[in-house]
Amino acid sequence: DQQVKQNSPSLSVQEGRISILNCDYTNSMFDYFLWYKKYPAEGPTFLISISSIKDKNEDGRFTVFLNKSAKHLSLHIVPSQPGDSAVYFCAASVGGSSNTGKLIFGQGTTLQVKP
Amino acid sequence: GAVVSQHPSRVICKSGTSVKIECRSLDFQATTMFWYRQFPKQSLMLMATSNEGSKATYEQGVEKDKFLINHASLTLSTLTVTSAHPEDSSFYICRGGYGYTFGSGTRLTVV
Repeated sequence: DQQVKQNSPSLSVQEGRISILNCDYTNSMFDYFLWYKKYPAEGPTFLISISSIKDKNEDGRFTVFLNKSAKHLSLHIVPSQPGDSAVYFCAASVGGSSNTGKLIFGQGTTLQVKP
Repeated sequence: GAVVSQHPSRVICKSGTSVKIECRSLDFQATTMFWYRQFPKQSLMLMATSNEGSKATYEQGVEKDKFLINHASLTLSTLTVTSAHPEDSSFYICRGGYGYTFGSGTRLTVV
């Protein structure tokens, strides 16, 4: 049972435009969500997170939106840069930011930003 | 802060041999270390949770006798793949503590 789903395996955008990566989850107990960026043969790099008590969190070019009723979150990257090209994973956990023990990951979305 | 050092970055071993992967927390004490595995073009799957001074907790479907985890100190956790087979070839990654930081990963190829 895939509790966290990223239904788009890939996304291609032009440099300077907005990239929107989507993630859906099924477990209503999840209360903390994270986005990671990953290059091949490297560990994931933390990007941004959001608690279920919020619906938006912003950090520079990255904004994460959470729609609890739809069990959906999205990552917006504006403006997109070629260096953003990587695989993006969303992850979810139960227990809030202080206990991000068992992170459940989506399948990942490969983002390609074209110059 | 919260740096996790993982070694080796890649290893090739023969079928039937054992391989040890180390994860060290460099600037914090990790009473817990999470071990993940990623097959090509797939998600990161949690294999087990190691706890300093006690037995590891394995996820369903992960063979504890095959993937031996030791967490003998607050800064070091090891994963040993015993009697490795080609199907164990994968990317293994650790995550230290309850933070967000992962190690750099180990690419294991069993030939």
